[in-house]
Amino acid sequence: NAGVMQNPRHLVRRRGQEARLRCSPMKGHSHVYWYRQLPEEGLKFMVYLQKENIIDESGMPKERFSAEFPKEGPSILRIQQVVRGDSAAYFCASSPEPPPYSYEQYFGPGTRLTVT
Amino acid sequence: SQQGEEDPQALSIQEGENATMNCSYKTSINNLQWYRQNSGRGLVHLILIRSNEREKHSGRLRVTLDTSKKSSSLLITASRAADTASYFCATDQSLNRDDKIIFGKGTRLHILP
Repeated sequence: NAGVMQNPRHLVRRRGQEARLRCSPMKGHSHVYWYRQLPEEGLKFMVYLQKENIIDESGMPKERFSAEFPKEGPSILRIQQVVRGDSAAYFCASSPEPPPYSYEQYFGPGTRLTVT
Repeated sequence: SQQGEEDPQALSIQEGENATMNCSYKTSINNLQWYRQNSGRGLVHLILIRSNEREKHSGRLRVTLDTSKKSSSLLITASRAADTASYFCATDQSLNRDDKIIFGKGTRLHILP
């Protein structure tokens, strides 16, 4: 059973471009979480999605950021018109059940976004 | 938002020694988890301890939880070079009807040969 997969692992974008980060959860997992890790900081929650639904996006910046988890295919975190402050590592995690049935989250290797 | 805060921020010990990392938090929790992150890798779940548990073991790991002090400790016994990593504690917010998991900034552990 493959783990959580994220691609690309490294992404370089110029200011103003769009960044698309993909996350394929573990097989059988229908709950996906996105986290952002800024340099020298801990992980910060961004958004929690189930298939075709955004459950909690309270950690998402109000502008330029969006996320989806379609019925088929990976979850996508999209950042429009990137700025230097978006440079960070973005981690995706998946879970087979929502809290309180499952608290374990299985993390992907992350995508390191660099905005030049 | 409330975060777990790990202490110390960085720790260097000799191989074979025990490593202890602490985590403090502010709100009531349902459980607390510890994660490890090797350089360039994703987070790996180590152990989960529920609020009604005081101690839990997993291999060379021992986790304690003191809800009265709102603190937890992670002990790694007989450390190995492969234990070099960052360790994060994470608290859930389920008791506050908020199903997010909140991470601290981590403790960077370095095992010296």
